[in-house]
Amino acid sequence: GAVVSQHPSWVICKSGTSVKIECRSLDFQATTMFWYRQFPKQSLMLMATSNEGSKATYEQGVEKDKFLINHASLTLSTLTVTSAHPEDSSFYICSASTSGGPAQETQYFGPGTRLLVL
Amino acid sequence: AQKITQTQPGMFVQEKEAVTLDCTYDTSDQSYGLFWYKQPSSGEMIFLIYQGSYDEQNATEGRYSLNFQKARKSANLVISASQLGDSAMYFCAMEGAFKTIFGAGTRLFVKA
Repeated sequence: GAVVSQHPSWVICKSGTSVKIECRSLDFQATTMFWYRQFPKQSLMLMATSNEGSKATYEQGVEKDKFLINHASLTLSTLTVTSAHPEDSSFYICSASTSGGPAQETQYFGPGTRLLVL
Repeated sequence: AQKITQTQPGMFVQEKEAVTLDCTYDTSDQSYGLFWYKQPSSGEMIFLIYQGSYDEQNATEGRYSLNFQKARKSANLVISASQLGDSAMYFCAMEGAFKTIFGAGTRLFVKA
C-alpha cells in the first residue's frame, strides 16, 4: 500500500524557535495533503489542507502565520511551527491523498511527529 | 456543518467476544464516506474499514464490519472475536467536501 513518512518522528525545542516537519508520500503522488494536530487523549483536529502548488486552506482558529504550510511538490509538504510555545506541544500527523473527493482509502497517514516545546 | 459523534469514551470486552463501537454523524452532503481507524499507543493511524454513502451493503474487512444505517445516520463498528491486540483507540471519521473530520474516539480494552 501507499506509504507516507514524516520527519522528524519527535522533536524537543526551546520556546521561541521554529520547527519544520516534513511529510512525504514515498510511492505515490499526493495531490492533497492534510495536517492534523492531536492533543493527549483527544481526537485528531484538522489544521489545514494543502494542494500542490497553491496556498493551504486553514481551518477556523488555526493561525496561518504561525503554522506555515508549503506543498512544493506532489510528494512533499512541510509544516513549520514558527516561534513555538509550550502550548504548541502536540502530536502532528499528516496524511496524503491521491484525489480531492470522497473515495475509498483516499487518505494515507504518516506516523506522526511528537513536538515538545520547553 | 459536518459532525461526528462517538459517545463511548471507553469500552471493555472479553477476549474472543464481539464488541460494537458506536458512531453517529451529521452532514448535508449527499455523497460522503465513513471510515474507522485504529490508533495504538504508538500513535499511527491504521485504516480499518470504509463505507460509502451510496453503498447498499455493509462493509466487511476480516473481523471488522460496519453496521451502516443511513436513515439513522449511524456507522457502528463491530469487531468480532476480540483479540488482546485490539486494545487501542478507535476513531470514526467522515469524509466529504474534500476534508475528513474525526470523532472523539473510543478507547477499547480487551480483557484476557
